[in-house]
Amino acid sequence: DQQVKQNSPSLSVQEGRISILNCDYTNSMFDYFLWYKKYPAEGPTFLISISSIKDKNEDGRFTVFLNKSAKHLSLHIVPSQPGDSAVYFCAASANAGGTSYGKLTFGQGTILTVHP
Amino acid sequence: SAVISQKPSRDICQRGTSLTIQCQVDSQVTMMFWYRQQPGQSLTLIATANQGSEATYESGFVIDKFPISRPNLTFSTLTVSNMSPEDSSIYLCSVRDVKKQYFGPGTRLTVT
Repeated sequence: DQQVKQNSPSLSVQEGRISILNCDYTNSMFDYFLWYKKYPAEGPTFLISISSIKDKNEDGRFTVFLNKSAKHLSLHIVPSQPGDSAVYFCAASANAGGTSYGKLTFGQGTILTVHP
Repeated sequence: SAVISQKPSRDICQRGTSLTIQCQVDSQVTMMFWYRQQPGQSLTLIATANQGSEATYESGFVIDKFPISRPNLTFSTLTVSNMSPEDSSIYLCSVRDVKKQYFGPGTRLTVT
């Protein structure tokens, strides 16, 4: 049972354009969502997060949008840079302040390639 | 932010042996988490390690196979016991603060 899904295994974008990575979830108990970037042979690097009480969070070139009714979130990167090429994972947690604190459910990942 | 280091960074082990992975954090944390990423798969939580108590394991993971120690607030170990090729994965240590969750660089394990 895949509770967090990233349906696009890969995405190719031209440098300077917008990258949009999508993520869907099924568990309505999820209340905190995170995006990570991962290079080969490294651990995931935290990018940005959003609480379920918000529908948008922005940090520099990265913006995450949350649509609770659709159980969908997306990560926008603008402008995209070649250094952004990596695997991007979305992750979700339920009951962030309780016993599930720190327990993340990850999507399968999307390979982003930004061409110069 | 938390800085996490892991040892070893990679290892190749024989079937039936055990490997202990160390995780060191540069600050005191209440809970530490162990994840694994099997080849071509996403990250999956193995267990939560609290200092001074037994680790809590997720469904599909058992203490006999993945014993965990948590002797203090900055250190934890995960042992992969009686290894088989299916245990070939990247094993990652993780800690969380209020808004962010951090991961170590991972230990790439290959079982032959």
